[in-house]
Amino acid sequence: EAAVTQSPRNKVTVTGGNVTLSCRQTNSHNYMYWYRQDTGHGLRLIHYSYGAGNLQIGDVPDGYKATRTTQEDFFLLLELASPSQTSLYFCASSDQLANSDYTFGSGTRLLVI
Amino acid sequence: GDSVTQTEGQVALSEEDFLTIHCNYSASGYPALFWYVQYPGEGPQFLFRASRDKEKGSSRGFEATYDKGTTSFHLRKASVQESDSAVYYCALGDPSGGYKVVFGSGTRLLVSP
Repeated sequence: EAAVTQSPRNKVTVTGGNVTLSCRQTNSHNYMYWYRQDTGHGLRLIHYSYGAGNLQIGDVPDGYKATRTTQEDFFLLLELASPSQTSLYFCASSDQLANSDYTFGSGTRLLVI
Repeated sequence: GDSVTQTEGQVALSEEDFLTIHCNYSASGYPALFWYVQYPGEGPQFLFRASRDKEKGSSRGFEATYDKGTTSFHLRKASVQESDSAVYYCALGDPSGGYKVVFGSGTRLLVSP
């Protein structure tokens, strides 16, 4: 079954700390995405990629880097974490950019103290 | 730019009630329209889609009809159950007008027994 797996499930870090969130998909999808979900804001796109080595900027990219190392793996990097980045992060994948359904992971809850 | 508006932030119903969640969209092209459902502790899941005017999408007793004239894709279910309690997202994907799927802000459905 097609799947998107995120790790860790929960993460606590201090302000200024370095955090990497991981995502792996087994769907053979071209596109992968990182979203954050906050009460009152719904899903907001941080970065996305259409293949290994590619990175596209989303709607809320400030303070985030991302890297797509393989077709399967997409990482979100917070190099100087701030409390405003406390959120629930979702990774997703899709076959096409705008015309196919997305498969989401179960999320990573990040707390920056 | 493209956008999706869900007018209800929260809907509270009793079991066997009829459900309507309103979704209106704005797009420059002819988008595909989607509904996603998110249960507590999980990522959003694709529910169904419609790609052309008057097309009806459906799944798990939920349905919505693509209406290009009123730019709407309202979610309906004839008889809700407590297990339908979740957050529902309307979304659009417009290959001509945008470069990614745009999600609405979500509607929380609470169904009491």
